[in-house]
Amino acid sequence: NAGVTQTPKFQVLKTGQSMTLQCAQDMNHEYMSWYRQDPGMGLRLIHYSVGAGITDQGEVPNGYNVSRSTTEDFPLRLLSAAPSQTSVYFCASSYRGVHYGYTFGSGTRLTVV
Amino acid sequence: GESVGLHLPTLSVQEGDNSIINCAYSNSASDYFIWYKQESGKGPQFIIDIRSNMDKRQGQRVTVLLNKTVKHLSLQIAATQPGDSAVYFCAENKGPGWVTGGGNKLTFGTGTQLKVEL
Repeated sequence: NAGVTQTPKFQVLKTGQSMTLQCAQDMNHEYMSWYRQDPGMGLRLIHYSVGAGITDQGEVPNGYNVSRSTTEDFPLRLLSAAPSQTSVYFCASSYRGVHYGYTFGSGTRLTVV
Repeated sequence: GESVGLHLPTLSVQEGDNSIINCAYSNSASDYFIWYKQESGKGPQFIIDIRSNMDKRQGQRVTVLLNKTVKHLSLQIAATQPGDSAVYFCAENKGPGWVTGGGNKLTFGTGTQLKVEL
């Protein structure tokens, strides 16, 4: 099993460009989420999904879109990148239920210039 | 506001000693807590969790203690090894909704850097 796979690992964008961060998991997890991690701050939730076809906003959703057409995939879209979106992005997944911790991907380091 | 924070940003210990990493939380309704380890350039890795109806839980070389009276969580690592060097995060689940799949309510702390000295 690959676990949670994120691509790309690194990306540099110009302000105003758009891109999609990919996330895929092969564990049949119902729950998937996107976090961003900034220096000196904890992980902050962007968007999450409790199953295919269902998404909801987290703590910092502005500037990001998501969709969940399959159980396996949960892409994160930046429609018009801004320097404030420079961060490390982590995708995570888990089974639904209170006793399960998340499995995280290895992250995408995004720089917006 | 609701928050999860760590008392010490950096902890240095000698190899073989025990490490204790602390975490304070402010939401008394939180019912589930997790500790994560994050090595440089990697995603957080699940270490151990504990439910609010428990005071202590042990894993391999790790123990989590929960004191709901003072809203305090700690992670104890026995016989700390160089491979334990990493940033450790605590996270709390803010309550109902998780079990029924109603939403993600995990809040993460800012992290403590654990440095193991040889």
